[in-house]
Amino acid sequence: AQKVTQAQTEISVVEKEDVTLDCVYETRDTTYYLFWYKQPPSGELVFLIRRNSFDEQNEISGRYSWNFQKSTSSFNFTITASQVVDSAVYFCALSEEIQGAQKLVFGQGTRLTINP
Amino acid sequence: DVKVTQSSRYLVKRTGEKVFLECVQDMDHENMFWYRQDPGLGLRLIYFSYDVKMKEKGDIPEGYSVSREKKERFSLILESASTNQTSMYLCASSSISTNEKLFFGSGTQLSVL
Repeated sequence: AQKVTQAQTEISVVEKEDVTLDCVYETRDTTYYLFWYKQPPSGELVFLIRRNSFDEQNEISGRYSWNFQKSTSSFNFTITASQVVDSAVYFCALSEEIQGAQKLVFGQGTRLTINP
Repeated sequence: DVKVTQSSRYLVKRTGEKVFLECVQDMDHENMFWYRQDPGLGLRLIYFSYDVKMKEKGDIPEGYSVSREKKERFSLILESASTNQTSMYLCASSSISTNEKLFFGSGTQLSVL
């Protein structure tokens, strides 16, 4: 069965520090997608990135970067020069196709607090 | 922008009541999902639907049912609410055109007393 593990329940850092959120997944599928979502205090999950299993290139978007390593089944997320607005709960997710629809299996989430 | 609207932000119900949680999306998405979110457990899929009148059980369907009579609306029903169903409920939608990216509503915090 699909499984996503985010071992870090809570992380607290001081503003401007770099921080990495870990994500490890399990799947038997050869084709799959990995996602990161951000949940700010307002509650609505916001999509950050989608990565397919055939693309192991790291991705950078501003202060955000993602490291996908198939060999270790990991998809880690790094925030560089963190800001208070980055405080949120972050979820890693793995897709599973059922009846032609991609359902997502989520990790437990990591609560990130950036202190001024 | 895609909008997924959940009818209530907060809801308080009594044990044994029948509860309806409503979700509407405005982007003609084929797929709709109901998740519940609990501390330390992340999001767990209750039910999803890939077309009108179609439904599939997720990982924790016990105690819940769903209805999808129209493409834009997906309802979650608690036939007889129990205290262990106190949780945050999140609705989401997606389509092939969005590369299966899920768009979420703001959630309904349900308390069953």
